[in-house]
Amino acid sequence: AQSVAQPEDQVNVAEGNPLTVKCTYSVSGNPYLFWYVQYPNRGLQFLLKYITGDNLVKGSYGFEAEFNKSQTSFHLKKPSALVSDSALYFCAADTGTASKLTFGTGTRLQVTL
Amino acid sequence: NAGVMQNPRHLVRRRGQEARLRCSPMKGHSHVYWYRQLPEEGLKFMVYLQKENIIDESGMPKERFSAEFPKEGPSILRIQQVVRGDSAAYFCASSPQAGQSSGNTIYFGEGSWLTVV
Repeated sequence: AQSVAQPEDQVNVAEGNPLTVKCTYSVSGNPYLFWYVQYPNRGLQFLLKYITGDNLVKGSYGFEAEFNKSQTSFHLKKPSALVSDSALYFCAADTGTASKLTFGTGTRLQVTL
Repeated sequence: NAGVMQNPRHLVRRRGQEARLRCSPMKGHSHVYWYRQLPEEGLKFMVYLQKENIIDESGMPKERFSAEFPKEGPSILRIQQVVRGDSAAYFCASSPQAGQSSGNTIYFGEGSWLTVV
């Protein structure tokens, strides 16, 4: 069975500093990996995805993620955090054999001044 | 180009009543997915539908829950005889083709928050 782990419940960062939100996955076959962001009482907004190709994927709002096959990781990064980035971030995976995503439990990002 | 539309956004039901949640996919999308988010948890897949067909319902509880996506109209997630444990946010998503099979992104609606009292 496939699984996605987000080891940190919360990440605290000062505005202007770089941020990393961690994600590791366990899937059979080639993974399709996604990051979504959720603001309070809102739906999930797509940030970026890795399907194939370059290991560094660039997405919306200045976010990027690095696919590392040997470490089975897909960490989300941003060079300079903004207060408005504060939200709940979800990593998700799918192997492409079934049209459903497996989500991590989410990481709450708190960016402070 | 409207996104995935869900209604109602908030629904309160007493134990034993029925809840109906509606979802209109994005224009041009013929694949619909329902996910449930329990408090402080991630999203869990429930069901995947195409027009008039249930493709994968492996995440649906065996009893009281049903879903449909008729030829005309929105997709409906129906919960009969609701219990307190059904209180959650229910998210609908859609994609133009079969989900992630070809790396297609699925887009989520704003969610329907069900509270059972």
